[in-house]
Amino acid sequence: DQQVKQNSPSLSVQEGRISILNCDYTNSMFDYFLWYKKYPAEGPTFLISISSIKDKNEDGRFTVFLNKSAKHLSLHIVPSQPGDSAVYFCAASAGDYKLSFGAGTTVTVRA
Amino acid sequence: DARVTQTPRHKVTEMGQEVTMRCQPILGHNTVFWYRQTMMQGLELLAYFRNRAPLDDSGMPKDRFSAEMPDATLATLKIQPSEPRDSAVYFCASGTTQGARVEQYFGPGTRLTVT
Repeated sequence: DQQVKQNSPSLSVQEGRISILNCDYTNSMFDYFLWYKKYPAEGPTFLISISSIKDKNEDGRFTVFLNKSAKHLSLHIVPSQPGDSAVYFCAASAGDYKLSFGAGTTVTVRA
Repeated sequence: DARVTQTPRHKVTEMGQEVTMRCQPILGHNTVFWYRQTMMQGLELLAYFRNRAPLDDSGMPKDRFSAEMPDATLATLKIQPSEPRDSAVYFCASGTTQGARVEQYFGPGTRLTVT
């Protein structure tokens, strides 16, 4: 039962433009959401997070938006850079240690 | 630069063989996670340890998988006997508790292929 879904397996974007990654969840108990970035042959690394009491969190070029009523969150990367080419995982937790991950979106930034 | 280490990085084995994957958590971290990554399911939690005690192994097939922490510097995940459907990348993560949550740091993974 996939509680966190990333419906776009891949995304290609021109360098300098905006990348928008989407994530949907089904569990209304989720109250903390994270994005992880993964390069080939490496483990996922934490990128940015947001608590359910907020609807936006920004860190440099990365912004996460949360729409609780729609059970939807998105990650915006502006401007996209070649080093952003990676797999991005959306994850969520319901107040404890357990993270539910999406299947990932592969982002390719074209020069 | 403290990192989680995992060995082996790659393992190819035949069906029926035993597989042991090892993880060295970051020094000082009191929690260890084992995940399995597949194309369809993304990252699935297999097991969770806190202070070397297994607190959650509900994601693990009990008949063939086992996870242990012989000491604070070593976590192991064993599969016996292995099957082709076990082919995946297995990640170990360690972390420290922050209230109920755990900030997790992932290792590079072990890519397992069972033929």
